[in-house]
Amino acid sequence: KAGVTQTPRYLIKTRGQQVTLSCSPISGHRSVSWYQQTPGQGLQFLFEYFSETQRNKGNFPGRFSGRQFSNSRSEMNVSTLELGDSALYLCASSQQGGLANEKLFFGSGTQLSVL
Amino acid sequence: EDQVTQSPEALRLQEGESSSLNCSYTVSGLRGLFWYRQDPGKGPEFLFTLYSAGEEKEKERLKATLTKKESFLHITAPKPEDSATYLCAVREGSQGNLIFGKGTKLSVKP
Repeated sequence: KAGVTQTPRYLIKTRGQQVTLSCSPISGHRSVSWYQQTPGQGLQFLFEYFSETQRNKGNFPGRFSGRQFSNSRSEMNVSTLELGDSALYLCASSQQGGLANEKLFFGSGTQLSVL
Repeated sequence: EDQVTQSPEALRLQEGESSSLNCSYTVSGLRGLFWYRQDPGKGPEFLFTLYSAGEEKEKERLKATLTKKESFLHITAPKPEDSATYLCAVREGSQGNLIFGKGTKLSVKP
């Protein structure tokens, strides 16, 4: 079974630009969560999607948004990039997500650098 | 406010030198505590889930334990391949969000 796939692996953008990251979950998994990882803050929850609906959202500004498609693939968008958005963005999938106590399967992440 | 604190931030061991990593938490309605391992350039990889105080789980040289306020990850006779960052996370009760600690970076020297 293929794991969680994130593309691209690396991105370099400049301030003010926008970026879209992609995540393909494990086949059969309907929940996709996104996390931001930085050396100072660690892993922080961005949002979770289940069956094309955002089910939960972390404490991030509205510049961070996402969506999920009918095949459970998900995209995350960051508009008007700031230097502080430089981070590793991780996607994780599970079968049900939410309050179901499942382990998450993570992708290898997209390393975003904002110059 | 829900919090997860891991200590130490970094730990250097000689091969075969056993030690423990700590994860203390304050969360309303704990639904589970998770341990993950993260290698450089990769996403976290699941190790254990613990649900209630007194529970223990083992996998090879790793053993995780849980009390009402903290969890320990014991590493017995570590090998260089155990070098990684170990992350602790708790699932809180209202939305089911996973709250991660900042991790312990373990280095095992031969």
